[in-house]
Amino acid sequence: AQSVTQLGSHVSVSEGALVLLRCNYSSSVPPYLFWYVQYPNQGLQLLLKYTSAATLVKGINGFEAEFKKSETSFHLTKPSAHMSDAAEYFCAVGGSQGNLIFGKGTKLSVKP
Amino acid sequence: EPEVTQTPSHQVTQMGQEVILRCVPISNHLYFYWYRQILGQKVEFLVSFYNNEISEKSEIFDDQFSVERPDGSNFTLKIRSTKLEDSAMYFCASRPLAGANVLTFGAGSRLTVL
Repeated sequence: AQSVTQLGSHVSVSEGALVLLRCNYSSSVPPYLFWYVQYPNQGLQLLLKYTSAATLVKGINGFEAEFKKSETSFHLTKPSAHMSDAAEYFCAVGGSQGNLIFGKGTKLSVKP
Repeated sequence: EPEVTQTPSHQVTQMGQEVILRCVPISNHLYFYWYRQILGQKVEFLVSFYNNEISEKSEIFDDQFSVERPDGSNFTLKIRSTKLEDSAMYFCASRPLAGANVLTFGAGSRLTVL
């Protein structure tokens, strides 16, 4: 079975500070891993994906994530937070039938 | 950019009523999905649909739920007799045949059961 765990349901950073959102996965097969973002009253938008190519994956809006097999992690980072980054972020692992298994989400707040 | 569209954006219904949520997936996509997100909780997989049949469903997707692709464009989720705990945001998603599980999601339909 596959699963993801997101550490921290709420993260608050100052504008310009580093963003680090943590995700650990469990998978018996090489995983496909994803980060999705959900802005208020909107759907889920793909930020980036890992599909067994490069371990450092760059996504939209300056986000990136590094796949670390030894740590079973896929943490999301951004060097400098912007007010517009305030949203909820979901880590997900690809399931056997193409469905996704999501973590509980981390709400990111950005303080001016 | 192609998008998945969902209607209605918000529906309020009485307990025991039937509800149909509609989705128009991206036109060249072949896999279709429904997910739900109860307020404050994680996004949960309900069902996947391919080649006019259900390919996988979760334990949430019981006999009260059904899906249908009535024509070449729409993909619907029906809840036969709604319960209070069906109140949630329902997301439709689709992906092409080859796409490394990269799903495109709609904006969601919020269902409120009173």
